[in-house]
Amino acid sequence: GQQLNQSPQSMFIQEGEDVSMNCTSSSIFNTWLWYKQEPGEGPVLLIALYKAGELTSNGRLTAQFGITRKDSFLNISASIPSDVGIYFCAGPLIQGAQKLVFGQGTRLTINP
Amino acid sequence: SQTIHQWPATLVQPVGSPLSLECTVEGTSNPNLYWYRQAAGRGLQLLFYSVGIGQISSEVPQNLSASRPQDRQFILSSKKLLLSDSGFYLCAWSDEREGGNEQFFGPGTRLTVL
Repeated sequence: GQQLNQSPQSMFIQEGEDVSMNCTSSSIFNTWLWYKQEPGEGPVLLIALYKAGELTSNGRLTAQFGITRKDSFLNISASIPSDVGIYFCAGPLIQGAQKLVFGQGTRLTINP
Repeated sequence: SQTIHQWPATLVQPVGSPLSLECTVEGTSNPNLYWYRQAAGRGLQLLFYSVGIGQISSEVPQNLSASRPQDRQFILSSKKLLLSDSGFYLCAWSDEREGGNEQFFGPGTRLTVL
């Protein structure tokens, strides 16, 4: 079945550093979603991507829809303590389908 | 604007006791509704989803069941809890009419079975 592989699984960085993480699949996706989950809370949608090659920003966050449609990238610039959390990528199993498949997440820890 | 509520926020139950978790959505009609379980802060496992009242699809065989008695209400239940039912339960909704696949999550219920 379709699976999403996120890397790295964990990141330990200093405040102020830039962050890069990615999500890959052996299958083509027509939508990529990026979520952030803080401890004890539900995931929050950060960015949605719908076109191959699309680059979308949300504040200090930038996400890209890979040209091959098999990957997506999320970058965070000038990290701050509140960026701590787990970042998940997700995509629909079939375009327009009701179900999403999620990556296993990238856990971001920031040292002040 | 749409909001999603879950309760209770936390729950500690003995093995063998029943369970009822509730999820409600406001500000939209005929949403798709989902129940997920998350263990140890990683990985979302889809348990059930519903595209309408009384319509439930189960993703994995388990000790749990779901019901949708009203358009914007989704309930997760068990007759007898197992230790392995412990976890963080998340409800989510999506709106097919918007054309996208975005799902929006509630705050979650932390269930501990002892």
